[in-house]
Amino acid sequence: SQTIHQWPATLVQPVGSPLSLECTVEGTSNPNLYWYRQAAGRGLQLLFYSVGIGQISSEVPQNLSASRPQDRQFILSSKKLLLSDSGFYLCAWVRFRAETEAFFGQGTRLTVV
Amino acid sequence: AQTVTQSQPEMSVQEAETVTLSCTYDTSESDYYLFWYKQPPSRQMILVIRQEAYKQQNATENRFSVNFQKAAKSFSLKISDSQLGDAAMYFCAYRREYGNKLVFGAGTILRVKS
Repeated sequence: SQTIHQWPATLVQPVGSPLSLECTVEGTSNPNLYWYRQAAGRGLQLLFYSVGIGQISSEVPQNLSASRPQDRQFILSSKKLLLSDSGFYLCAWVRFRAETEAFFGQGTRLTVV
Repeated sequence: AQTVTQSQPEMSVQEAETVTLSCTYDTSESDYYLFWYKQPPSRQMILVIRQEAYKQQNATENRFSVNFQKAAKSFSLKISDSQLGDAAMYFCAYRREYGNKLVFGAGTILRVKS
């Protein structure tokens, strides 16, 4: 069966510090991968998505970047965090060329102080 | 660009009653997929129901059903016999066939009163 791991679950970082959130998927190959951000009580904003290794599409210009160094690994990064980067970050995957729903990780609550 | 609109920020329903959550979307595609997700306080995203645009029949899953109006680009969720456990934020989402972007609406908070 397929599983998705996202860590850490909670993170408190000072302004100006770097960020690295990791997401890995098991039990499938060549998934489409997504990073979303959810502000408190708000909707899901698509940040990045990837259809393959090294292929990243950015949806919103911002202080963040994403990378996909391996087929089932998706990383969200920042060189210098801003207060506005605080939020709940969700990683998701969709099976390659399949009309199925997205499966989500448990999320990371990031607080920038 | 595809957009998904949920015009109801918050809804309330009495336990055992029926409630309908609204969703409209904008796309120029003819083949796509629509989803309703539930996000309880744990913030785990849970799929409620899925609809393929090429299917005319509305999807149903137990107490959950949709009213899919392709021409009107409308995709509402009906919850029958509401239960306290249905209280959550509900998101409508769109994905193009074999498409890469999965786009969500702003969400509707559903409160269930006992």
